Amino acid sequence: DQQVKQNSPSLSVQEGRISILNCDYTNSMFDYFLWYKKYPAEGPTFLISISSIKDKNEDGRFTVFLNKSAKHLSLHIVPSQPGDSAVYFCAASEGSNYQLIWGAGTKLIIKP
Amino acid sequence: ETGVTQTPRHLVMGMTNKKSLKCEQHLGHNAMYWYKQSAKKPLELMFVYNFKEQTENNSVPSRFSPECPNSSHLFLHLHTLQPEDSALYLCASSQGEGYNEQFFGPGTRLTVL
Repeated sequence: DQQVKQNSPSLSVQEGRISILNCDYTNSMFDYFLWYKKYPAEGPTFLISISSIKDKNEDGRFTVFLNKSAKHLSLHIVPSQPGDSAVYFCAASEGSNYQLIWGAGTKLIIKP
Repeated sequence: ETGVTQTPRHLVMGMTNKKSLKCEQHLGHNAMYWYKQSAKKPLELMFVYNFKEQTENNSVPSRFSPECPNSSHLFLHLHTLQPEDSALYLCASSQGEGYNEQFFGPGTRLTVL
């Protein structure tokens, strides 16, 4: 059973608008969450993270929101740019365990 | 070289061949990982090494054999693979326990005929 779920396989957004990518998890012991971005023929690259002691973390155009009661996190990209077209993975970890549990990814397509 | 490098980038092999994938990290990290990525699936963790010691083997078939001679190098030896083993194999590294951010190599696209 998948502990981290990204229910939208793909998302299409107009350039300049907000992109919202969602991630749900089932393990209440997860306390650290990360978003990775992956271009074709490249490995995933770290984008932004959030600890469970926070409910929001912002880095430039990227903001991650965490709702612990709903076991839900989201990544907001504002404004969306063509270079943001990629597959976005959500990942989670528990305590001092440095291993990550991954979602299946959401393919984001930014339309010009 | 910087970051995490993987060779070869592409590999086509028959079911009876033996080949090896190589990963090298230039980040001074202590933990290294092998992942398998199949289309539209989560990244599947295969093996974890921390300070050269294998700490995780996620029920991976014995036709995949990892080797970690030092904390900078990681190999994945392949033999008698099946067509369903065709996938992107990713290597990653991290500082180790207490540090969650992993740095990935570009991957090896493996095709088993």
